[in-house]
Amino acid sequence: DGGITQSPKYLFRKEGQNVTLSCEQNLNHDAMYWYRQDPGQGLRLIYYSQIVNDFQKGDIAEGYSVSREKKESFPLTVTSAQKNPTAFYLCASSTDRGRSKLFFGSGTQLSVL
Amino acid sequence: GENVEQHPSTLSVQEGDSAVIKCTYSDSASNYFPWYKQELGKGPQLIIDIRSNVGEKKDQRIAVTLNKTAKHFSLHITETQPEDSAVYFCAASTYSGGGADGLTFGKGTHLIIQP
Repeated sequence: DGGITQSPKYLFRKEGQNVTLSCEQNLNHDAMYWYRQDPGQGLRLIYYSQIVNDFQKGDIAEGYSVSREKKESFPLTVTSAQKNPTAFYLCASSTDRGRSKLFFGSGTQLSVL
Repeated sequence: GENVEQHPSTLSVQEGDSAVIKCTYSDSASNYFPWYKQELGKGPQLIIDIRSNVGEKKDQRIAVTLNKTAKHFSLHITETQPEDSAVYFCAASTYSGGGADGLTFGKGTHLIIQP
């Protein structure tokens, strides 16, 4: 079945540690996105990539980094510079055509130890 | 930039009744309005969308209406069922090839269907 796979489902970060969230898609979509979701809040865009080897900052990119070396993969690193990393992180993808329709993964819950 | 306000934050209705969720947007250039449903522990899923050249769109028990003059759009769910319980997000974007990088989400409505 085609879809987006995020792993792990739960992740814990220690003080000063960088952690990486995985996102893989087999939908052959060009565009991929990372969103952060906090309780009672909407979805806020962290980074997005429209094509391999290219990505752009979203509204809340500080403290995060990404790479897009393969079309299928768009990992997100939460660095130690992100002082409030506890949140639910969602990866999404879309086709280049009609790319406002997003397909989401099941998310990763990141918590601080 | 675009600002999307969504109301109410929580909505409780009796099974079989209708539910209405309302959103307003600030950018008159916005021309694409999707609605997403998020079940507990899962990612959001697109349930219906509407473009600015259409005033209403219906898909079985769900419908969306758009009032461009007033800059608001609404989600209507009729004959609600327990599986409709979820968080619903509205969004707005200036879809001109800009894609989801131009998508602004509301804060969500937690819909509770009472048996």
